[in-house]
Amino acid sequence: QVQLVQSGAEVKKPGASVKISCRASGYTFTSYYMHWVRQAPGQGQAIEWMGITKAGGGITKYAQKFQGRVTMTSDTSTNTIYMELSSLRSEDTAVYYCARDGVGGNVFDYWGQGTPVTVSS
Amino acid sequence: QSALTQPPSASGSPGQSVTISCTGTSRDFDNFNYVSWYQHRPGKAPKLMIYEVTKRPSGVPDRFSGSKSGNTASLTVSGLQAEDEADYYCSSSAGSYNYVFGTGTKVTVL
Repeated sequence: QVQLVQSGAEVKKPGASVKISCRASGYTFTSYYMHWVRQAPGQGQAIEWMGITKAGGGITKYAQKFQGRVTMTSDTSTNTIYMELSSLRSEDTAVYYCARDGVGGNVFDYWGQGTPVTVSS
Repeated sequence: QSALTQPPSASGSPGQSVTISCTGTSRDFDNFNYVSWYQHRPGKAPKLMIYEVTKRPSGVPDRFSGSKSGNTASLTVSGLQAEDEADYYCSSSAGSYNYVFGTGTKVTVL
């Protein structure tokens, strides 16, 4: 079965970078794109789309809000997708998720368990 | 890009139905056929429940159904069960490589 397993919680200081991993199994890794989204803490916080990358290379697109601060990469030897966010600020405190891009339009068909990131001095 | 608007909460007794709305602008629903819904239980990974407005992935009970009218999409859960208690989020395609999600609705089974 499809599984996406993310790396553990992170605590970072403002200005630092964080790199989160998402290890995929149960399907042909290079046949799918992967999204990254995040959700800030608190009731009523919408999920925020960050970007999408093709496993194994190809098209990578970032949301305008994160352009210049986010980098998404993949490693086909370990079936792992990475998302690195730099110049962290307190507003980046959130749970970050990887989610596979499924067949059809706007389909996030499998999700990782989430990686909490806390940015605090 | 603003989030789609959902009611913060909805509730119903077991066996009843609950409908969750998801409202945006015409720009949010750039492709009117690309609305999806996700269930998120505490401590679990979010789960795809509905895609392309009305389609259910394999394994999702037919108690879950989706619809859309104008700039409002809806998710209906019929025959509520205790296991349906969760947060539900809508999502839409707001253009090429531009996705927007809703603010989430907490469904409580009374």
